[in-house]
Amino acid sequence: AQTVTQSQPEMSVQEAETVTLSCTYDTSESDYYLFWYKQPPSRQMILVIRQEAYKQQNATENRFSVNFQKAAKSFSLKISDSQLGDAAMYFCAYISLTNAGKSTFGDGTTLTVKP
Amino acid sequence: ETGVTQSPTHLIKTRGQQVTLRCSSQSGHNTVSWYQQALGQGPQFIFQYYREEENGRGNFPPRFSGLQFPNYSSELNVNALELDDSALYLCASSTRAGDDTDTQYFGPGTRLTVL
Repeated sequence: AQTVTQSQPEMSVQEAETVTLSCTYDTSESDYYLFWYKQPPSRQMILVIRQEAYKQQNATENRFSVNFQKAAKSFSLKISDSQLGDAAMYFCAYISLTNAGKSTFGDGTTLTVKP
Repeated sequence: ETGVTQSPTHLIKTRGQQVTLRCSSQSGHNTVSWYQQALGQGPQFIFQYYREEENGRGNFPPRFSGLQFPNYSSELNVNALELDDSALYLCASSTRAGDDTDTQYFGPGTRLTVL
């Protein structure tokens, strides 16, 4: 079974600064997707970024980028130029391509952005 | 916001009762996944439906069951409710074609309280 570990329950960052959220996972599969999702308080889960395991190039979406290290099974999220609206719970997620799309989420990191 | 909708928004039930939650998938999506999210935790995968058949299941007992309809909307049914079933239930839809394959887009959730 796959596991996803987010070792930082809480993180804080100053507005306009950069922060990195950590995620490690354990799997014996070679084909899978990794995602970061954002869940603001009492609001909908929003897709932040997606990474295919077969791609060596790290995904980027505007101020969000990942550092995907497949051999180390590490998938960190970097948020540049942090904004107040980035404050939320961030979840790292693994989706299996060989096990009927079974998904595994981490327990999340709460990000606080200080003005 | 995504095009995924869920109903009802909130629900209060008594232990032992049965409940049905509903989800309408985003246009063009043929796959629906259901999750249970306890307070302060990451979503736990319940099961996935693809083309009206259960396609994968997490570690949930058989009293959690579902349906998917020809229009790809879906229901989650929970029988013999227990206090621990109190949680936010999330539905996510996805497609299995194109660049967006298996990217899950979440609905706003149904908050279930079991008394």
